[in-house]
Amino acid sequence: ETGVTQSPTHLIKTRGQQVTLRCSSQSGHNTVSWYQQALGQGPQFIFQYYREEENGRGNFPPRFSGLQFPNYSSELNVNALELDDSALYLCASSLAAGGVGASPLHFGNGTRLTVT
Amino acid sequence: GDSVTQMEGPVTLSEEAFLTINCTYTATGYPSLFWYVQYPGEGLQLLLKATKADDKGSNKGFEATYRKETTSFHLEKGSVQVSDSAVYFCALSAGGGSNYKLTFGKGTLLTVNP
Repeated sequence: ETGVTQSPTHLIKTRGQQVTLRCSSQSGHNTVSWYQQALGQGPQFIFQYYREEENGRGNFPPRFSGLQFPNYSSELNVNALELDDSALYLCASSLAAGGVGASPLHFGNGTRLTVT
Repeated sequence: GDSVTQMEGPVTLSEEAFLTINCTYTATGYPSLFWYVQYPGEGLQLLLKATKADDKGSNKGFEATYRKETTSFHLEKGSVQVSDSAVYFCALSAGGGSNYKLTFGKGTLLTVNP
């Protein structure tokens, strides 16, 4: 069983630039969620994709956007990068089939983004 | 809105000591509750979960009981090991169906010394 993989593992960008982070979901999973984890904090929910559509969004501005592809992999795009966007970005996949708790999230190891 | 408050760290223990990490929550309805663990340089791993009141989640010697009356989900382990050193996150999910948003606490760093 292949787990959740994210790329790249580390990235350095300059303020104002755009970035794309990628995630391959665990085999058999159809839902992908993205979280931002600032240093010393818990992860914050950005959004979730289910059947290629956004299915819930946290308190993040529109410059955070995403895609889910037919193979359930996903991208997170961030435009006009700000210094505060520096964080660990975590992708998590799950199988949506039934109620809450039926399929726990499986997290990747994350992409460490540094904005200078 | 939903929120999770967990014990501030860091927590430092000697091997074989008893561990408690407190977690309380605020949520509408009946959330599911989770403990996740994050080892250095890695993503989060689900440690245990409970989906309804009075359920006890357990795994690898850790356990936590869903207490609706006190809105708590404290993590305990009777005898910690050096390998348990990690950051522990309490989380809840109040969404139903395919909406599986997790709300996390800030995390508690545990260091176990030999």
